Amino acid sequence: DTGVSQDPRHKITKRGQNVTFRCDPISEHNRLYWYRQTLGQGPEFLTYFQNEAQLEKSRLLSDRFSAERPKGSFSTLEIQRTEQGDSAMYLCASSPDREVGQPQHFGDGTRLSIL
Amino acid sequence: AQSVAQPEDQVNVAEGNPLTVKCTYSVSGNPYLFWYVQYPNRGLQFLLKYITGDNLVKGSYGFEAEFNKSQTSFHLKKPSALVSDSALYFCAVRDPPDSGYALNFGKGTSLLVTP
Repeated sequence: DTGVSQDPRHKITKRGQNVTFRCDPISEHNRLYWYRQTLGQGPEFLTYFQNEAQLEKSRLLSDRFSAERPKGSFSTLEIQRTEQGDSAMYLCASSPDREVGQPQHFGDGTRLSIL
Repeated sequence: AQSVAQPEDQVNVAEGNPLTVKCTYSVSGNPYLFWYVQYPNRGLQFLLKYITGDNLVKGSYGFEAEFNKSQTSFHLKKPSALVSDSALYFCAVRDPPDSGYALNFGKGTSLLVTP
C-alpha cells in the first residue's frame, strides 16, 4: 500500500497524559498536513510542512501541541497534558509540490479518546 | 478568508436516480475547489477538483461537479446513484498559494442512497 499511513489507528488515554501520533506520507510527496476532525464537522487545518520546515500553523494548534518532520519524511504530532476537548480524529495528508492545485491525499486517521 | 458552505446536512436519493450535493463558496480571487468523500472510520478520498478551465469537472466513480462563478457554487453530481455511494461528502476550498495551502472544509453532507 503506497498511501498515507497513520499509527496508531485508535488511542485511548486518561486526561493529562501525553500522546504522540505518527504519519508516513506518500514517499514522493514533499508537503505534509495535519488536520483535526470532530464529530459532525469537517476537518480543521492544524499545521503544514514543506519537507522538514513547518511553514504554517493554525491558531487551533495551542502550545500543548507540537509537530515535527525531522528528516522531511514521516511526521509526528504530540499532544501534551491532554484535555477532554482533544478527543477527535487526527488526520494526516500529503501532496506533491510539482504543480498548482495538487489534491491532498489523506490517511485513515488516528482516533483519540480522552477518558 | 476562504470558506465553503454545504447547506444540506443530509441528502436522500433512490438508487438509480440522479444525485446532487450542494456547495457554495466565498473566496477572494480565483477559487481552488475540491470534493472529498469519507466512509465510516476512514480518511477522506479525493473525488475531483476545479482549478481553472472547463466549468464541468469529471472525477472518480462517475462523479462530476459544475463550477458556477455567478452563483459561487460548486455542486457535486452523479447521473445515477449507487447504494455504495452512501457516505459523507465534503466540499473544500484551498487557500491561495501566497497565503498557504490549507484546505478549508464545509461541515459535510451525508448522502444516503436507498435500494
